[in-house]
Amino acid sequence: DAKTTQPNSMESNEEEPVHLPCNHSTISGTDYIHWYRQLPSQGPEYVIHGLTSNVNNRMASLAIAEDRKSSTLILHRATLRDAAVYYCILRDVGTSGSRLTFGEGTQLTVNP
Amino acid sequence: DGGITQSPKYLFRKEGQNVTLSCEQNLNHDAMYWYRQDPGQGLRLIYYSQIVNDFQKGDIAEGYSVSREKKESFPLTVTSAQKNPTAFYLCASSIKPWGNTGELFFGEGSRLTVL
Repeated sequence: DAKTTQPNSMESNEEEPVHLPCNHSTISGTDYIHWYRQLPSQGPEYVIHGLTSNVNNRMASLAIAEDRKSSTLILHRATLRDAAVYYCILRDVGTSGSRLTFGEGTQLTVNP
Repeated sequence: DGGITQSPKYLFRKEGQNVTLSCEQNLNHDAMYWYRQDPGQGLRLIYYSQIVNDFQKGDIAEGYSVSREKKESFPLTVTSAQKNPTAFYLCASSIKPWGNTGELFFGEGSRLTVL
């Protein structure tokens, strides 16, 4: 299975942009890059996903490197509610179906 | 509103007892998943089901069992064979079992503590 590597933790100030990096050097040509975030004692929440082109939605932007070996989740203006663990994962399509494998993620702290 | 409901939210059990965690979804999703999360750790896949009456083992299936008799339900049984069952259990679903697109929708989780 293709793996992802993320920093254990990052800090940001409120109202500033945040760039969360993710390395996935063994990504296959058909793997989509997914981002989820998790607040304490809650289930993860979908943030965004993409394949090759950069993607934008109301929550964030996803910038994907041209060689697809890395990506960056961009929160344009961090708020205190954005403090969470952010997971970068690859959609793994096995012969028996599809599943998502989560790593340990990046703990984002947002300072007021 | 559509979503995923897990119950109970908190559960205590004595060693040697089996316990079943409920997961129900009304999103009409084909695929359902069970994950386990230990403190400060990421999620690990226990079992997943692509379609009714079919399911596959994930990365840590030993000591767990599941069934998928109905599309909307995917209960997880933590058996006495699971050596360290105290954890946070998360159920999820997705509209597509195959293919690279399709987000996962998660429930609120069930926290199991073995006394």
